[in-house]
Amino acid sequence: KNQVEQSPQSLIILEGKNCTLQCNYTVSPFSNLRWYKQDTGRGPVSLTIMTFSENTKSNGRYTATLDADTKQSSLHITASQLSDSASYICVVSAGENRDDKIIFGKGTRLHILP
Amino acid sequence: DSGVTQTPKHLITATGQRVTLRCSPRSGDLSVYWYQQSLDQGLQFLIQYYNGEERAKGNILERFSAQQFPDLHSELNLSSLELGDSALYFCASSVALAGAFDSYNEQFFGPGTRLTVL
Repeated sequence: KNQVEQSPQSLIILEGKNCTLQCNYTVSPFSNLRWYKQDTGRGPVSLTIMTFSENTKSNGRYTATLDADTKQSSLHITASQLSDSASYICVVSAGENRDDKIIFGKGTRLHILP
Repeated sequence: DSGVTQTPKHLITATGQRVTLRCSPRSGDLSVYWYQQSLDQGLQFLIQYYNGEERAKGNILERFSAQQFPDLHSELNLSSLELGDSALYFCASSVALAGAFDSYNEQFFGPGTRLTVL
């Protein structure tokens, strides 16, 4: 069964600290993995998109890694800021034709405290 | 601001009713996606249209339907509404040159419509 599991469910850290969010997936055939940031009550915003051949991608203070062998991804946030408080959603796509599937994780809720 | 607009922002209706949600994609984007986000299920893909034609289908109920018009705006119709249909409904758009969710196909999400069914 195609699944995307994220951990932790929620996380509280102090401003300025680093943190790492995890995403494990069982999706086949794997096409790509995306990380989204979603502020409360707003639409998700894309942070990174990675294909099978990419194992790391950065977007400012956000760095995503992908291990296609173990089917794991992580999102590392460096020097956190109050504006990083949001839900972070891992999304895995399978296939690249009319049978495309997209599976969402339930997200990690990150709270940054001053 | 992603450039994707959705109306209305909020909608409150009763069970059994029918509503229409509207989405205008970013300028130049030919593809529109609809998603449902509820507290217990998270985000779920419903359906995609590309240049007026249905392109991919996800977990869309038979009571729901969508279409994309020649000016590329899209509408999501929800009928015989149930309490469980209360959710945030997002529209996203992309250029969609190739597969619906391939790595070259970044999607830009609108602000969503919050539907409450009483």
